Amino acid sequence: GDSVTQMEGPVTLSEEAFLTINCTYTATGYPSLFWYVQYPGEGLQLLLKATKADDKGSNKGFEATYRKETTSFHLEKGSVQVSDSAVYFCALRTMDTGRRALTFGSGTRLQVQP
Amino acid sequence: NAGVTQTPKFQVLKTGQSMTLQCAQDMNHNSMYWYRQDPGMGLRLIYYSASEGTTDKGEVPNGYNVSRLNKREFSLRLESAAPSQTSVYFCASSEVGVPNQPQHFGDGTRLSIL
Repeated sequence: GDSVTQMEGPVTLSEEAFLTINCTYTATGYPSLFWYVQYPGEGLQLLLKATKADDKGSNKGFEATYRKETTSFHLEKGSVQVSDSAVYFCALRTMDTGRRALTFGSGTRLQVQP
Repeated sequence: NAGVTQTPKFQVLKTGQSMTLQCAQDMNHNSMYWYRQDPGMGLRLIYYSASEGTTDKGEVPNGYNVSRLNKREFSLRLESAAPSQTSVYFCASSEVGVPNQPQHFGDGTRLSIL
């Protein structure tokens, strides 16, 4: 079945440091890939998405490129801020089933220190 | 701009008690979902409803029932709560027919079973 693997956290960085959160996936068919962010006490918010190979999703300074050859969708940001502290979830969705539900990774907690 | 609204936000139950978690969306979405979030495991799909009048099991349906009351509302019921059901529950909705639309999440219900 489908699965998503994320690097374990927490990831602790200083403000303005470079961020990479690794995500790899296993899926049947051709999935769409997503990054969601969860701030403390809140639900998940879509951060960015990519729907086909070599697509780059970007939002709020975050980027991720859909790499079919390595089945990866790593999240990057050039300069993190304290306000980026949150839990980040990589997810995929295949269209092979009618439900179109998401399969999530386990989440990576990011802590940015001033 | 409510989006997806879940009630209650917090609840403590005793083993064996029953409870219904409520979810409503105002985006006229056809599909709705219930997930549970446990530490280190990401979100797992409990049940989903592809459209009004239909419901189907997800990955972890045991111990739960759902009702798609109308297009807006999708409730999750625990008939006899067990400590293993202590979790944070998220409701989500999405549109279908438009490719790769993201899911929109509520803020969650934190449920503790004693």
